[in-house]
Amino acid sequence: QVTLKESGPVLVRPTETLTLTCTVSGFSLNNARMGVSWIRQPPGKALEWLAHIFSDDEKSYSKSLKSRLTISKDTSEGQVVLTMTNVDPVDTATYYCARWKGSNEFDYWGQGTLVTVSS
Amino acid sequence: SYALTQPPSVSVSPGQTASISCSGDKLGDQYASWYQQKAGQSPVLVIYQETKRPSGIPERFSGSISGNTATLTISGTQAMDEADYYCQAWDSTTVVFGGGTKLTVL
Repeated sequence: QVTLKESGPVLVRPTETLTLTCTVSGFSLNNARMGVSWIRQPPGKALEWLAHIFSDDEKSYSKSLKSRLTISKDTSEGQVVLTMTNVDPVDTATYYCARWKGSNEFDYWGQGTLVTVSS
Repeated sequence: SYALTQPPSVSVSPGQTASISCSGDKLGDQYASWYQQKAGQSPVLVIYQETKRPSGIPERFSGSISGNTATLTISGTQAMDEADYYCQAWDSTTVVFGGGTKLTVL
């Protein structure tokens, strides 16, 4: 059974660094053509893709947020970590991780974690 | 930058057919996928590779492509289909989502 679960702080202060962890089970991050993306959704707004990590450790980032994002993985722990520096209240959103299986689509999504940026 | 354009809202009567479009310059070269998101829930994949339906998704959901426009069609729409729908595609090594369409079943 494939599952993804996001974890991280509920509240972050402006200018701080946000670190989110996606813990996966039911598949290996080492599997060929497997990958995980981070996607966020501000309250009442649309989905926004942030970053992706492929099984060969290649990484890809949203052009608009690239300077603030870092994605990494710990295959042995089954975790994908996203860090976002210098957060602002506009970064308040539900953050999702989702599995990519080498085609185009994201077939499994986590439950999401709501992060609020506020002083 | 690459964008996928969806209508903000679509309304349909129960039992009728709903169609949601997604336009993008590179659709046709890149597969489109569709996700359903009900209030307070995570997105769920309903169509992939433009026309394929994952297991567990009802047959009333179908997808098509014509030129640079992908379309999600829901036949015999039910009240439970009321949700936000998003299209998605890859642009080289980055991912793009459409702005979402709110489907209202009146």
